[in-house]
Amino acid sequence: NAGVTQTPKFQVLKTGQSMTLQCAQDMNHNSMYWYRQDPGMGLRLIYYSASEGTTDKGEVPNGYNVSRLNKREFSLRLESAAPSQTSVYFCASSEAYGILTNEKLFFGSGTQLSVL
Amino acid sequence: QKEVEQDPGPLSVPEGAIVSLNCTYSNSAFQYFMWYRQYSRKGPELLMYTYSSGNKEDGRFTAQVDKSSKYISLFIRDSQPSDSATYLCAMSENNQGGKLIFGQGTELSVKP
Repeated sequence: NAGVTQTPKFQVLKTGQSMTLQCAQDMNHNSMYWYRQDPGMGLRLIYYSASEGTTDKGEVPNGYNVSRLNKREFSLRLESAAPSQTSVYFCASSEAYGILTNEKLFFGSGTQLSVL
Repeated sequence: QKEVEQDPGPLSVPEGAIVSLNCTYSNSAFQYFMWYRQYSRKGPELLMYTYSSGNKEDGRFTAQVDKSSKYISLFIRDSQPSDSATYLCAMSENNQGGKLIFGQGTELSVKP
């Protein structure tokens, strides 16, 4: 079972470059999320998509854009990368945002991004 | 001040020890309390889930929530080297689904 798949696993960018992080889930989940993890900060929500066709900002959305391409795929784009965006990025999915009381998130293995 | 505070450790214990991991929080609206386990270079996986106050037990793991003190705990009995990982507490308000607020994570090492 693949679960949540993220690509790429590692990426190095120069300041100002752009890139898209890809995420796909095969669990037929309605909701998908992008988190970033930094030392001493825990995980912080960047954007989420409660259902296909909707996206909303999380705690730290500045510098990012997202696209919910279809029910399976949710991408994260950095238009002009900055050193402050050096982080590990995790995609996650769940059955149904805000509807089920037992909201279990399934995480991918992460993308380690360095911006020089 | 962060909404959720967690001692980052690292915490090192001998095999078989009882481990206590804790988080404090400031938002009284939090209703759902979770513990995630994260192995090195992997994504977090849900370990325990509790709604509101009380205790929940699952094998060697016990989660406790004290909403009056804004304090949650995870106890691991008979700890094993395979429990070596980072443990993250996470919380959310009612109807906020996957919009979780995470603690910084505590790195645990269980020595054989």
